Amino acid sequence: AQTVTQSQPEMSVQEAETVTLSCTYDTSESDYYLFWYKQPPSRQMILVIRQEAYKQQNATENRFSVNFQKAAKSFSLKISDSQLGDAAMYFCAYLSGAGSYQLTFGKGTKLSVIP
Amino acid sequence: KAGVTQTPRYLIKTRGQQVTLSCSPISGHRSVSWYQQTPGQGLQFLFEYFSETQRNKGNFPGRFSGRQFSNSRSEMNVSTLELGDSALYLCATSLGGPYNEQFFGPGTRLTVL
Repeated sequence: AQTVTQSQPEMSVQEAETVTLSCTYDTSESDYYLFWYKQPPSRQMILVIRQEAYKQQNATENRFSVNFQKAAKSFSLKISDSQLGDAAMYFCAYLSGAGSYQLTFGKGTKLSVIP
Repeated sequence: KAGVTQTPRYLIKTRGQQVTLSCSPISGHRSVSWYQQTPGQGLQFLFEYFSETQRNKGNFPGRFSGRQFSNSRSEMNVSTLELGDSALYLCATSLGGPYNEQFFGPGTRLTVL
């Protein structure tokens, strides 16, 4: 079974600064997807960014980018120019390429943004 | 396009009762997944339905069940409620392909007394 580990339960960042959230995963599969989800205090989970394992190029979405190290099974999220609205729980998630349709989540990192 | 809706948003039940939660997907979405979120265990997968068929099931006891209707709306049922069932129950919907993005609803907060 796959596991996802987020080793930072809480982090904080100054507004306009950059922060990196860590995620590692364990799998024996070669085909899979990785995701970062954001859950603001209102609780609605939204997708921040996704990465296909077969792609070597790191995904980027505006101020959000990932550092995907497949051999190290590491998938970190970098948030640049942090904004107050970035404050939320961030979850790293794994989706098997074997068609299980089941997301496996890490325990999450609570990000605070300091004005 | 309307988002994923879940009803009710809040529920308070007592031990031994049963509860039914509902999830209405985004128009065109045929897959509905259910997750349980607790502070201790985090987000755990319950089951996933596509075209009225359960395609995948997590490691939860048989007290947790679900179904999907022909309009893709889904319900999950928890019978003989236990204190440990108190959680936020999230549903996520997608078009149904293996890598389609899942869109989450706001959740139903269940409290078992």
